[in-house]
Amino acid sequence: DADVTQTPRNRITKTGKRIMLECSQTKGHDRMYWYRQDPGLGLRLIYYSFDVKDINKGEISDGYSVSRQAQAKFSLSLESAIPNQTALYFCATSDSDGRDTQYFGPGTRLTVL
Amino acid sequence: AQKITQTQPGMFVQEKEAVTLDCTYDTSDPSYGLFWYKQPSSGEMIFLIYQGSYDQQNATEGRYSLNFQKARKSANLVISASQLGDSAMYFCAMREPSTGNQFYFGTGTSLTVIP
Repeated sequence: DADVTQTPRNRITKTGKRIMLECSQTKGHDRMYWYRQDPGLGLRLIYYSFDVKDINKGEISDGYSVSRQAQAKFSLSLESAIPNQTALYFCATSDSDGRDTQYFGPGTRLTVL
Repeated sequence: AQKITQTQPGMFVQEKEAVTLDCTYDTSDPSYGLFWYKQPSSGEMIFLIYQGSYDQQNATEGRYSLNFQKARKSANLVISASQLGDSAMYFCAMREPSTGNQFYFGTGTSLTVIP
């Protein structure tokens, strides 16, 4: 079984709809992250959480919100989706071991029409 | 200013040859971490190798090695004995403590291994 899972894997939605992307992990890591990947731009950090009570904005948090429901679950919401939020979204986890090596989920491909 | 710069959008290498993928970084933190990830066409992000800013030796993991030149702020990935399965996007990344241990990724290099 995958250590980091994301649901859904693909989603097509319309402008203005509310969307939630979910991430679960069995790695036992405290830290979880949400990134988006756009062609030619690499990965950019949206939000990150170092424990259940700690939520931090990343480089591009506008238009997004998150919820850390448990150590193993971290959800990303788009309250009112817009077309430029069309992207590949990755969840990642890391251990607080000093390195913080990011271990990624398989990604969610989101298309906003 | 870009935190991570990868200046090679695309690279080609002959099978069994070595290839170097370039990465430069920008930080004023004395302590930081540098990473390389591989993204095959299937889309997943695979961790390859890590280098800490205080590590004296260049990191190695199997056929991957990291050529760390601290004064030049350079962290190039060297892949030896290239294989067809090495064809993928490669991303350099940095963890920066002064920004809350955020990760910054470069724009990637597309590597194609030619048989």
